[in-house]
Amino acid sequence: AQKVTQAQTEISVVEKEDVTLDCVYETRDTTYYLFWYKQPPSGELVFLIRRNSFDEQNEISGRYSWNFQKSTSSFNFTITASQVVDSAVYFCALSAGYMDTGRRALTFGSGTRLQVQP
Amino acid sequence: NAGVTQTPKFRVLKTGQSMTLLCAQDMNHEYMYWYRQDPGMGLRLIHYSVGEGTTAKGEVPDGYNVSRLKKQNFLLGLESAAPSQTSVYFCASSYLGTSGNLDNEQFFGPGTRLTVL
Repeated sequence: AQKVTQAQTEISVVEKEDVTLDCVYETRDTTYYLFWYKQPPSGELVFLIRRNSFDEQNEISGRYSWNFQKSTSSFNFTITASQVVDSAVYFCALSAGYMDTGRRALTFGSGTRLQVQP
Repeated sequence: NAGVTQTPKFRVLKTGQSMTLLCAQDMNHEYMYWYRQDPGMGLRLIHYSVGEGTTAKGEVPDGYNVSRLKKQNFLLGLESAAPSQTSVYFCASSYLGTSGNLDNEQFFGPGTRLTVL
């Protein structure tokens, strides 16, 4: 079975601090995809990144960076110099395993709520 | 471009009542999905569709039915609502995935908050 664990339920930081959101996944598949989504207070989820299991290069996009380590089954997300607008719930997700329909299943973690205080 | 829209935004039902949630997308996406979001549990896939006229079960399909008569619309029905179906429902869409899998970026609607008394 596939599983995504986001052990940090809630994190509170002060603006300009760096913060890392942890994501640990479980799958026996060799081919899989990992995602991060952001859910701001407005409610709808916004895609941030997708990474496949064969690409372990870290990625940086502005203040956001992602660290993918297959050895520890982790796909952590770091926000540098956090801002109040970063306050949201962040979800990690895994596309792996197969449903009865023969398609890979998408499993979400339970989310981490980030509060950035001014 | 409206993206993915959902109606209604809020709804309160009594146990046993039925209702239909409507999802529409204007991005010409092949795939559409219905999720439910419950506190502390992330999103769980209810049903999905890989094209007009086709639907399939996700992780938690019981108590729900879906239809995709038009490519741009995906309907979620509750025939006899139960309090356990109190949740926030999200619709999403994506373009064709690799080998038909659900691997691509998904675009989400704003959600429907449903309460069943």
